[in-house]
Amino acid sequence: AQTVTQSQPEMSVQEAETVTLSCTYDTSESDYYLFWYKQPPSRQMILVIRQEAYKQQNATENRFSVNFQKAAKSFSLKISDSQLGDAAMYFCAYKGGNNNDMRFGAGTRLTVKP
Amino acid sequence: ETGVTQTPRHLVMGMTNKKSLKCEQHLGHNAMYWYKQSAKKPLELMFVYSLEERVENNSVPSRFSPECPNSSHLFLHLHTLQPEDSALYLCASSQVRWTRSSNEQFFGPGTRLTVL
Repeated sequence: AQTVTQSQPEMSVQEAETVTLSCTYDTSESDYYLFWYKQPPSRQMILVIRQEAYKQQNATENRFSVNFQKAAKSFSLKISDSQLGDAAMYFCAYKGGNNNDMRFGAGTRLTVKP
Repeated sequence: ETGVTQTPRHLVMGMTNKKSLKCEQHLGHNAMYWYKQSAKKPLELMFVYSLEERVENNSVPSRFSPECPNSSHLFLHLHTLQPEDSALYLCASSQVRWTRSSNEQFFGPGTRLTVL
């Protein structure tokens, strides 16, 4: 079974600085998708960014970018120019190419200090 | 209403009560999911419905009973729950395509359940 590991239960960053959240996963599949979701306090979980495993180019969405290392099975999220609104739980998730199951990590709680 | 909605947002129930959680998606998706979110644990997938048929039940106790009357609505019927069932219950939906696709899931705000 695929597993997703987020080794940082909590992280903090100074406003306007850059922070990187780690995620590793275990799979024997070659075709899959990876996601980062954000869950603000008492608010809805929303998709931040996704990466197709067959694409070598790292996905970017404005201040959010990923470092996808397929051989190492690593999928980190970099948040640049951190803002107070970035404070949230961040979940890394994996989905195989041929099914609908998503496997989630335990999450990283990000605090942004003003 | 847009996206995925869930009612109620908060629910407190005794162990002998019967209650239901409701989820509705307004995205035209054809798959819906129930997850359990407990503190400091990964999201646990409970049930998956695709095209209104249950396709996965991850060994969830029978005191949780899902119902999917159509592609837009999903219910989770609860009865004789235990205190350890207290958690945030999240509903999600996605558009399942039978070709290579990310099929990312869109989540509702959740129902915070407390079992006394």
